[in-house]
Formats: sequence, structure tokens, C-alpha cells
Amino acid sequence: EDKVVQSPLSLVVHEGDTVTLNCSYEVTNFRSLLWYKQEKKAPTFLFMLTSSGIEKKSGRLSSILDKKELFSILNITATQTGDSAVYLCAPNSGGSNYKLTFGKGTLLTVNP
Amino acid sequence: EAEVAQSPRYKITEKSQAVAFWCDPISGHATLYWYRQILGQGPELLVQFQDESVVDDSQLPKDRFSAERLKGVDSTLKIQPAELGDSAMYLCASSFGGSGYTFGSGTRLTVV
Repeated sequence: EDKVVQSPLSLVVHEGDTVTLNCSYEVTNFRSLLWYKQEKKAPTFLFMLTSSGIEKKSGRLSSILDKKELFSILNITATQTGDSAVYLCAPNSGGSNYKLTFGKGTLLTVNP
Repeated sequence: EAEVAQSPRYKITEKSQAVAFWCDPISGHATLYWYRQILGQGPELLVQFQDESVVDDSQLPKDRFSAERLKGVDSTLKIQPAELGDSAMYLCASSFGGSGYTFGSGTRLTVV
């Protein structure tokens, strides 16, 4: 059975802090890993990672994948209150016909 | 920007009543997914369609849930009868090839 573990489950920081969110996975036929941000609505796409060791970056967010050790991290630098959300990772084992298995998510709270 | 449309946004229903949700994917997206997300958990796949055919419904509680996508475009998810434990967010998503995976805004169901 496919398994995704995210840590920590929740995190409280102050604005300006840097955070690292972790995602470890065990899935059959791994193809890629997706990260999503979810506020009180549907998840919004952040990154898709397919290759080990290649960092993807968007503004203050960055992410990297390690296919040998089966994990990914999401970094957020200079956090802002608007970064408060649940961050979900989802390995894809279905290729172009996506089959995503979601973790429980990390609830990030950024205080002013 | 193209969106996945879902309705209703919110639904309150009494236990043992029937309830239905509707999803219209992005035009041209052949694959459609229904997820259930219980508070504090990641989304769980209920059913996946490729055009009008069911690809995966292994996690769909078939005694009370049904899903259809008759013309391979929009889709309906039905629950009959609803139970208290069905209270959750129901998310629809669609994809085309490996080019993207987009969620709708979701339907938040409360069973009382």
C-alpha cells in the first residue's frame, strides 16, 4: 500500500523565519511528486518534481526531491502571514494518468 | 484561466437523505477525479474517470456512493443515504496528459 508521511504535522513560526517541511514516501511506480498549498478551500499547485537533486524555486518557496532516499522538502524563507496554510505533498504513481496519494499535510501558522 | 467548476459550494443535509455534487472539468481534460477530504486529513481518491470509463473506484463506498460521467465531460457524485461520517470536503480535479492537474473549489458537505 502506498504511504506518505509528512512532518511536522503542525508548525508555528514568526514572520521572517525560515521553515522546512518534510515529505517521505513509499509508492509503487513512482513518477513525480507534487506539492500543494491549501487554505480554507481547494489545494493550489506549487511544484512538481521529477528529478533528484534539482531544486525548483518560486519566489520564497523552493523544493527538492531525493529519489534514492524517498523524500522531498519544501522550504519557505522570510515567511509571511499569508504563508499560513496546510501544505500537502502527493507522490504520483500514475505517470501522465495521474494517481496521487496525499499525505496528511503540515499546518503552518505564521504569526506577525 | 480555465477552471474546474463544482457546485454547490456548501451543502447541509440530514442523515439518511440523498445528496449530489456536480463537477465540470476543464475543457478537453479527459481524466476526472473525485476526492473526499475529512478535516485534518489529506484528500483521498474516491473515483477516477478516463473519458466516461471508471479507471479506479477501489476506495468508493459503493453501498451508498455512486459516480457517473455519462458523456465523458461533466460528472455527478451521489450519496444515498448520507451518514454523519460523510461530512467532509468533496473535491473534483481534472487533468490532460501530464500537463497539469487542477482542483475545483470543492463542495463542503455537512450531514446533520
